Amino acid sequence: EDQVTQSPEALRLQEGESSSLNCSYTVSGLRGLFWYRQDPGKGPEFLFTLYSAGEEKEKERLKATLTKKESFLHITAPKPEDSATYLCAVQANSGGSNYKLTFGKGTLLTVNP
Amino acid sequence: DAGITQSPRHKVTETGTPVTLRCHQTENHRYMYWYRQDPGHGLRLIHYSYGVKDTDKGEVSDGYSVSRSKTEDFLLTLESATSSQTSVYFCAISENQVQPNEQYFGPGTRLTVT
Repeated sequence: EDQVTQSPEALRLQEGESSSLNCSYTVSGLRGLFWYRQDPGKGPEFLFTLYSAGEEKEKERLKATLTKKESFLHITAPKPEDSATYLCAVQANSGGSNYKLTFGKGTLLTVNP
Repeated sequence: DAGITQSPRHKVTETGTPVTLRCHQTENHRYMYWYRQDPGHGLRLIHYSYGVKDTDKGEVSDGYSVSRSKTEDFLLTLESATSSQTSVYFCAISENQVQPNEQYFGPGTRLTVT
């Protein structure tokens, strides 16, 4: 069974204090790993797709990296507007069920001014 | 929210009543999904559709049915709502399944079953 574990559950940073969020996964064969951002009362917003170990993607203050067992979302010099819940999901090569995304429970990031 | 609307956005209903949630997309994407999100759980797939009139079950499908008569609309029905179905429901769409591709989510429907 595919599993995704995100840590920490919650993270509080000061504005400008860089840090990383972790997503550990267990899948039979990784097809893709996805990062989403979710603001309170809204739907998840797509950030990145990573396909293979060693891949990196960046968007503004965010950089996502991927290894064979985990992914990191690095946040450089965060601002209060980066406060949100960040979700990680994996899509596995599972025969006919390769539509399925398995989500972690998320990391709630709070950035204080 | 990439051309996805959900209605209603909020609903309170009583145990035992039927409820239908609607998802409408303007992207002409083939694949559509219904998820529920609950505290302490990640997003969990209820049902999905891979084309008009083509649907299949997800991991938490008991008590739910779906229908898709047009590309743009995907309906989720709770035949007889229970308190355990109190949740936030999200619709998502994706373009294809040929390669790993992202799903885009709607704004959600908050359902309370009393």
